[in-house]
Amino acid sequence: LAKTTQPISMDSYEGQEVNITCSHNNIATNDYITWYQQFPSQGPRFIIQGYKTKVTNEVASLFIPADRKSSTLSLPRVSLSDTAVYYCLVGGNTNAGKSTFGDGTTLTVKP
Amino acid sequence: GAVVSQHPSWVICKSGTSVKIECRSLDFQATTMFWYRQFPKQSLMLMATSNEGSKATYEQGVEKDKFLINHASLTLSTLTVTSAHPEDSSFYICSARSAGTPKGQFFGPGTRLTVL
Repeated sequence: LAKTTQPISMDSYEGQEVNITCSHNNIATNDYITWYQQFPSQGPRFIIQGYKTKVTNEVASLFIPADRKSSTLSLPRVSLSDTAVYYCLVGGNTNAGKSTFGDGTTLTVKP
Repeated sequence: GAVVSQHPSWVICKSGTSVKIECRSLDFQATTMFWYRQFPKQSLMLMATSNEGSKATYEQGVEKDKFLINHASLTLSTLTVTSAHPEDSSFYICSARSAGTPKGQFFGPGTRLTVL
């Protein structure tokens, strides 16, 4: 099971780009990388998922190097409402396998 | 798409009673569902993994006789906290892994359990 390591906290200002990196050195061949956002007293919300290289959607980009031992979530032009905890989750999309969270990164966006 | 619902969203019960929490995948089929609990300012802790039609696999330290999990269909899983005590008070979150489209693991909104 791939263990993930993220910075505990990050600060940013409105309008800036924020990059959060997750380390997952023992990622398995069939593991995907998924990022979630969580607000207090809510379930995690899916942001983006990828397997390799770069994935972009309407809210974020995900960069995964060739060795896949890390990944970087990029949030363009953050706003105050992006203040939340961000988790990366590494696991398979098949029926097998656990789904265990790391400690997450608390992002605080300041005005 | 990919919506997971939980019911109830919050519940208050007396010590010694049992509480059932339902988790449904509304617009996709989930062959695997996960149950987590989360304490304030902590990460989600995996309690158990269940596959439709088979017994749940519990994480170390989680009592299977206390936290009963039933995954009877591809869209429904239930968690029953039996003989609840104040230390069981927590935020319980279910998650469903899609068997097809959309691909991925999606989370419910959580259930706040308070045991008096």
